[in-house]
Amino acid sequence: QSVLTQPPSASGTPGQRVTFSCSGSSSNIGSNTVNWYQQLPGTAPKLLIYNDDQRPSGVPDRFSGSKSGTSASLAISGLQSEDEADYYCAAWDDSLNGSVFGTGTEVAVL
Amino acid sequence: EVQLVQSGAEVKKPGESLKISCKVSGYTFTNYWIGWVRQMPGKGLEWMGIIYPGDSDTRKSPSFQGQVTISADKSIKTAYLQWSSLKASDTAIYYCARGSGWFPGAGFDYWGHGTLVTVSS
Repeated sequence: QSVLTQPPSASGTPGQRVTFSCSGSSSNIGSNTVNWYQQLPGTAPKLLIYNDDQRPSGVPDRFSGSKSGTSASLAISGLQSEDEADYYCAAWDDSLNGSVFGTGTEVAVL
Repeated sequence: EVQLVQSGAEVKKPGESLKISCKVSGYTFTNYWIGWVRQMPGKGLEWMGIIYPGDSDTRKSPSFQGQVTISADKSIKTAYLQWSSLKASDTAIYYCARGSGWFPGAGFDYWGHGTLVTVSS
């Protein structure tokens, strides 16, 4: 059972802004940075956001991350059909001495 | 170009042993963490563990302690994940991925294509 909780699904129409959360605790998000991954159907995950709010080279600026206290959020602005995917947050957990992934959010473009 | 090439799909019986591999190229193997991630059929990602090939420092999720062994061979730039006695519940896709920084919790910036392990009698 994951210690990082995400809503199971989120949706929007093309062009809309979608935001969803990743809720943790003081031992993970509260004391370490958050990374976000995008997993398109049938493919390996891809790093989308690292260190809470940094985008790797090549990731569109439509994707943005933020963090406050023990929660983090991922926002997708100007939603596109190719954004339909599963999204996972992840953070190091000091109590576990290892990383944990969130439960995952499936994004649908209506 | 950074590449992580994983070994092919495996079909095993319960109780058998298995070792899958992740061969890297395009960067200095000993300078980056390599992690393993499990994805059971239709389920989410699970962080299994991570190894720093430079000194073999290894961290493992409590969920996988005693269940798997993570190792690395610097001479052939390859990381391994192995089981001594597989269970049907080990059926999953296993990904290797490179840690992007010095900290073991840094994001995984490059991923292998995944190895499907099927355990069935």
